[in-house]
Amino acid sequence: AQSVTQLDSQVPVFEEAPVELRCNYSSSVSVYLFWYVQYPNQGLQLLLKYLSGSTLVKGINGFEAEFNKSQTSFHLRKPSVHISDTAEYFCAVSRYEKLTFGTGTRLTIIP
Amino acid sequence: DGGITQSPKYLFRKEGQNVTLSCEQNLNHDAMYWYRQDPGQGLRLIYYSQIVNDFQKGDIAEGYSVSREKKESFPLTVTSAQKNPTAFYLCASRLLGPNTEAFFGQGTRLTVV
Repeated sequence: AQSVTQLDSQVPVFEEAPVELRCNYSSSVSVYLFWYVQYPNQGLQLLLKYLSGSTLVKGINGFEAEFNKSQTSFHLRKPSVHISDTAEYFCAVSRYEKLTFGTGTRLTIIP
Repeated sequence: DGGITQSPKYLFRKEGQNVTLSCEQNLNHDAMYWYRQDPGQGLRLIYYSQIVNDFQKGDIAEGYSVSREKKESFPLTVTSAQKNPTAFYLCASRLLGPNTEAFFGQGTRLTVV
């Protein structure tokens, strides 16, 4: 079975400060990892994905994530956040055709 | 433009009534998904389908049913057996393969009174 744990339900950050959103996964076999973003009352859109190769993955809007196999983590980072980054962020794991999401982290930017 | 269309955006139903949520995609994707979103619980997988006339239960399938008669359509029926049907429902699709990006509709907010 596959699962994803997002350790923080809410993260407040001052504007222009760095942020890290944490994600840990569990699976007995190799999986593929994704980060999605959801703006209020909308569907989700892809930020980035880890398939294989380099453990540092760059995505849209200045976000990046680091895959750590030994710690089974895939944390999302941004060096300097903006008001427009206010949204909910979801980590997801995919094995075969099943796509499973975490509980989400609400990122709030403080002006 | 290609994309996924969910309709309606808002839906109200009386308790005890079945209701069907529509999901149509013109992306030529084989795999389609239904998720339920509740505050603090993230997205929970209800059903998914990889091919026409075949689908698999997700993690919270009880009280729901689906059909996949056409590649582009994957309607979800919320039955009266679903204990807490009020939620935000999201449909998604993607190409076959675990490494492909999922595309989402704008969601349907179902309120049962």
